[in-house]
Amino acid sequence: SQKIEQNSEALNIQEGKTATLTCNYTNYSPAYLQWYRQDPGRGPVFLLLIRENEKEKRKERLKVTFDTTLKQSLFHITASQPADSATYLCALRVDGGSQGNLIFGKGTKLSVKP
Amino acid sequence: NAGVMQNPRHLVRRRGQEARLRCSPMKGHSHVYWYRQLPEEGLKFMVYLQKENIIDESGMPKERFSAEFPKEGPSILRIQQVVRGDSAAYFCASSDHLETQYFGPGTRLLVL
Repeated sequence: SQKIEQNSEALNIQEGKTATLTCNYTNYSPAYLQWYRQDPGRGPVFLLLIRENEKEKRKERLKVTFDTTLKQSLFHITASQPADSATYLCALRVDGGSQGNLIFGKGTKLSVKP
Repeated sequence: NAGVMQNPRHLVRRRGQEARLRCSPMKGHSHVYWYRQLPEEGLKFMVYLQKENIIDESGMPKERFSAEFPKEGPSILRIQQVVRGDSAAYFCASSDHLETQYFGPGTRLLVL
């Protein structure tokens, strides 16, 4: 069956360090992968999209990689800050699937300690 | 440019009542999606609509749940005869194409 897994439910790091979150999938052939941020009591906020033919994408302190051979995406936050504390979700849209239907992982809750 | 709006933000219903959740997409967006998030669970796709059409309802329970996106007005997710298991956060998202989806703040439904 198709699965998306985010490697850990929670990740605690010290301010200033780089946070690395992992998203693995099986039995999918995604056209692209997206990362969202969700704060408690709020809706997800779109951060980055990376396509199957892209290896890496950057936006300010954020970097996403996409390895379709390993079926894995890594999400990095450099020089992390307490304000980066949130739950981060990865999501896939599958080629041939419902147009627009996103499949989400359960998320990784990131806590950045000052 | 206002974002996706959902109302009510919180809704309390007793078992057997009906719940109506509303979603106004971002201006210019013609695609609307509904997702459900249970505590400690990920977002689960329910239904995808364009104006006056249901494109994909594969994630929506066959009974008691329905959705519409009329030509005028917001999209409505309707749950009839609610049960305790329907308690969840319901998120609406919209897009102007088939990639990035912009989410609303959600409606938190509590069934007593």
